[in-house]
Amino acid sequence: TQLLEQSPQFLSIQEGENLTVYCNSSSVFSSLQWYRQEPGEGPVLLVTVVTGGEVKKLKRLTFQFGDARKDSSLHITAAQPGDTGLYLCAVSINAGGTSYGKLTFGQGTILTVHP
Amino acid sequence: KAGVTQTPRYLIKTRGQQVTLSCSPISGHRSVSWYQQTPGQGLQFLFEYFSETQRNKGNFPGRFSGRQFSNSRSEMNVSTLELGDSALYLCASSYTGHEQFFGPGTRLTVL
Repeated sequence: TQLLEQSPQFLSIQEGENLTVYCNSSSVFSSLQWYRQEPGEGPVLLVTVVTGGEVKKLKRLTFQFGDARKDSSLHITAAQPGDTGLYLCAVSINAGGTSYGKLTFGQGTILTVHP
Repeated sequence: KAGVTQTPRYLIKTRGQQVTLSCSPISGHRSVSWYQQTPGQGLQFLFEYFSETQRNKGNFPGRFSGRQFSNSRSEMNVSTLELGDSALYLCASSYTGHEQFFGPGTRLTVL
């Protein structure tokens, strides 16, 4: 069982459409991060959400952390071909007394935006 | 500020060989983490080094090892390569160990 369940796994849309990607868990987290990864490159950090109910905006991207800090969503308004990529949510988990340096990732959502 | 750099970008090896991958973190970052990314398993944590000490380790066999130097540069080594080790190996650096900044990765193919 995955600690972080992302949905949908694949998303193929037309330019200009809106979309939402979800990251769910039964565990509570102190913070959660969203990354975007393009083919052949490493993930790029988009945002970190910390407070339950927090909403952060990054241009056309809106990130929300659930009130109970168990889930998060990423909403993209008016998607563009440049938004194409793999979107990953990630958390730091306390393992053996330390969570430093260890991120646990969801399986990702592959987004394709067609012109 | 220069980003995380990884060398080489691409590598082809045969089963049984060993390989060493290199990572240079962002200047000032003392934490370096390594991940393996495959289509089937996604991104999985290998280990993390901070100030030359391994601070955290994932569930990988002992064939996977790493080290960090005094200038924070890090290397990871995989011995006795298996076909299943074919993957994108990602290095990430961080100031605190939480928010991480990734390099472009090394694509390892084992034949």
